[in-house]
Amino acid sequence: DAVLTQSPLSLPVTLGLPASISCRSSQSLVHSDRNTYLNWFQQRPGQSPRRLLYKVSNRDSGVPDRFSGSGSGTDFTLKISRVEAEDVGVYYCMQGTHWPWTFGQGTKVEIK
Amino acid sequence: QVQLVESGGGVVQPGGSLRLSCAASGFTFRSYGMHWVRQAPGKGLEWVAFIRPDGGNKIYVDSVKGRFTISRDNSKNTQYLQMNSLRVDDTAVYYCAKDNMWSFDYWGQGTLVTVSS
Repeated sequence: DAVLTQSPLSLPVTLGLPASISCRSSQSLVHSDRNTYLNWFQQRPGQSPRRLLYKVSNRDSGVPDRFSGSGSGTDFTLKISRVEAEDVGVYYCMQGTHWPWTFGQGTKVEIK
Repeated sequence: QVQLVESGGGVVQPGGSLRLSCAASGFTFRSYGMHWVRQAPGKGLEWVAFIRPDGGNKIYVDSVKGRFTISRDNSKNTQYLQMNSLRVDDTAVYYCAKDNMWSFDYWGQGTLVTVSS
């Protein structure tokens, strides 16, 4: 199975400043079709998860442009350019390249 | 707008069975694969099962193989998860999720399954 390791697991942030979460995979996430199916999800307290980014860097409709994704192969990053109060929650990376699909452990973002 | 509404959760004893349902609306259900994803209390997310649009292919995480069965009825815009031989570690919120771009673009609100004696 592709094991996804996120860091940090806890991220205290200051409003208005940037934040970054790393996601590393135990194997390459490049699919045989040459796409990389690495996604990022946000789960606010008490809510269902919501997809932010798919295929590394494509933002879903309605996702603010302060969220961006980058990376390739086995190393990926989610960046928030300026953290806002509504960004509090747990962020998960998830891969859809290899069965079984797997998630990272989650990174809890909170305001300092 | 896309809506996914799960039902069927509850409390069951170890070894028991439960069937979850997910009613879909707002999109052409028969054209999309569907998933079940679960989240144990206070824990992270775990993908559980996937079914292709026509129901012809089903894939499971190893921990539920032989115990859980995913199915769908495209005439009713509904997917199901039959869970047998339930264990304490199956306790979780079970989410229904729509497949898109080898990912999940819409999620339901979840239904809680508690396995306890």
